[in-house]
Amino acid sequence: DAGVTQSPTHLIKTRGQQVTLRCSPISGHKSVSWYQQVLGQGPQFIFQYYEKEERGRGNFPDRFSARQFPNYSSELNVNALLLGDSALYLCASSLGPSGANVLTFGAGSRLTVL
Amino acid sequence: KQEVTQIPAALSVPEGENLVLNCSFTDSAIYNLQWFRQDPGKGLTSLLLIQSSQREQTSGRLNASLDKSSGRSTLYIAASQPGDSATYLCAVSKAAGNKLTFGGGTRVLVKP
Repeated sequence: DAGVTQSPTHLIKTRGQQVTLRCSPISGHKSVSWYQQVLGQGPQFIFQYYEKEERGRGNFPDRFSARQFPNYSSELNVNALLLGDSALYLCASSLGPSGANVLTFGAGSRLTVL
Repeated sequence: KQEVTQIPAALSVPEGENLVLNCSFTDSAIYNLQWFRQDPGKGLTSLLLIQSSQREQTSGRLNASLDKSSGRSTLYIAASQPGDSATYLCAVSKAAGNKLTFGGGTRVLVKP
């Protein structure tokens, strides 16, 4: 059974550009969360979606947005890229959004902003 | 606001030595605590999950303890091997949701 899949695995952008990252959850999982991990730090929560609705948002600017599709896959969009957006972006899925539902993480998308 | 701290940030041990990794959190109202392993440039692999009502969890050479009242967890890795070299992260969640708050990680190097 496939785990959480993310694409692309690596990408390079320049400042001011826009990027879209994609995530496919484990089959049967209806909740998707996004985390940003800057080099040398722990991951930080960006968004959580459940049944296509936003259920939580971390302390990130409005340049960051996301959505969840009817098949529960998700996209994370970042506009007007800054050098500081360079990071590993991790997607995690779970059956639901409650604390009883354990997150399973994907391998991440490595974004480099030049 | 929940804050999670992991000390030390890095440690190096000879093969065969036991590893002790520490995690502390400021808000004791947690639902569960997880320990993850992360290899360089890779995603997160869950190692152990401790519910707030539990004191410890064990899996093979790994043992994690939780003292919720003092806001501490410890991960023990017995008889370390070079393959244990990785970054270890702890994270806590609150009952209202499964959003995780992570520590900064401890980077471990096990020397042959």
